[in-house]
This record gives sequence, C-alpha cells and structure tokens, in this order.
Amino acid sequence: GAVVSQHPSRVICKSGTSVKIECRSLDFQATTMFWYRQFPKQSLMLMATSNEGSKATYEQGVEKDKFLINHASLTLSTLTVTSAHPEDSSFYICSARDLQALPYGYTFGSGTRLTVV
Amino acid sequence: DAKTTQPPSMDCAEGRAANLPCNHSTISGNEYVYWYRQIHSQGPQYIIHGLKNNETNEMASLIITEDRKSSTLILPHATLRDTAVYYCIVRGMYSGGGADGLTFGKGTHLIIQP
Repeated sequence: GAVVSQHPSRVICKSGTSVKIECRSLDFQATTMFWYRQFPKQSLMLMATSNEGSKATYEQGVEKDKFLINHASLTLSTLTVTSAHPEDSSFYICSARDLQALPYGYTFGSGTRLTVV
Repeated sequence: DAKTTQPPSMDCAEGRAANLPCNHSTISGNEYVYWYRQIHSQGPQYIIHGLKNNETNEMASLIITEDRKSSTLILPHATLRDTAVYYCIVRGMYSGGGADGLTFGKGTHLIIQP
C-alpha cells in the first residue's frame, strides 16, 4: 500500500533557528500533499496544501512566511518552520493522496515532534 | 463536508467488541464515511470507508444506517493496541484540483481496558 515517510520524527531546536521537515511518498506520486499541526490533546488542524510545482495554499490564520512549503518533485514536500519560537512547538504531520487508490487515498506520515527551547 | 458528532471517549474491555458511533445527519448523497484512528504520537491510520452498504475488512466493520445519517465502527475483538483516538470523517470522493485535505473533528478516545 501507499507509504508516506516523514523525517525527522523528533527535533529540538533553539528559539530563533529554522527547522526543515521532509515528507516523501515512497511508492506513489503525489501532486498534492497536506501539512497538519496538532497541539497536545487537540485534533489535527490543516495548515496548508502543498502543490507540486506551484505555491502552497495556506489555511486562514497560518503565516506563509513562517511556515515555508516547497513541493519541488512529485514525491517530496518540505515544511520549514522559520525563526521558530516556543509556541511553534507541536506535532507536525504530513499527508499525501495516492490517486491510484481512490477513494481512500489519504496516507499520513508518522509525524514530527518539534520542541523549541 | 458534512459535520460529524462523536462521543469524546469510550471504554471497552479487552477481547470484547468495541462499537464506536458517529452521527452525520447532514451527509449528502455522494459523500463517503471514512474512519481513521490515531495512536498516541503517530500519524492517523486509515481503517475503513463506506458509502451506503455495510463494509468489512481485516481491521473493522462499518455499519451505515439506511438513511445514512449515522454509522458505527465495530472492532470485533478489541486489544490493548486498539487504544487510540478514532475519527469519523464525511466527505465526497476526490474530484481533482483544489485543496481537499481531510478535516478532523475531535474524535472518540477509545480506551481498551485489560
């Protein structure tokens, strides 16, 4: 079945630095990937939709200059948290659609636990 | 996408069937019912989906009422590893183009008791 690999699984960074999270579709091509954020004891919140070869679409209230998304190939999307602050500490999860496996084509990565100190 | 309502938490004894309800009274004719679960500190995992007929796979069964306004996910023999948050999501089939990420509600925290 479709597999989405997310890396790193856990990262600790200093306040003010930037962190890059990678999301790869391993056995299928994904023209669209999705990035979610999840705070403790809360549900997943969609942050943005990553479109291969074009600009990402951000949900209302998500700062596009802070959360940079690049989707340069059909199998890789990256999320860069720029100038991270403690309030950015969260669980970040990516998802991709395998369009050959409709209608249940959403596959999720294992998530990245970001801690900003 | 239609809104769903789930109980915030449920307990179930290990080895018994876990029945998780979901109300989706505003579901439209072309919308599917999807179930995902999220084990602590992991990404969501697909369980099952259905349109109008009951469905069964190796993980679970999905019972959809005739009017499609509610459904029940059944884990036939729950184990401790089934402890997770279960999300019921209603949406149409992907039609191409545009943003169509899944919208997650609060789900049901299912706790399997030994």
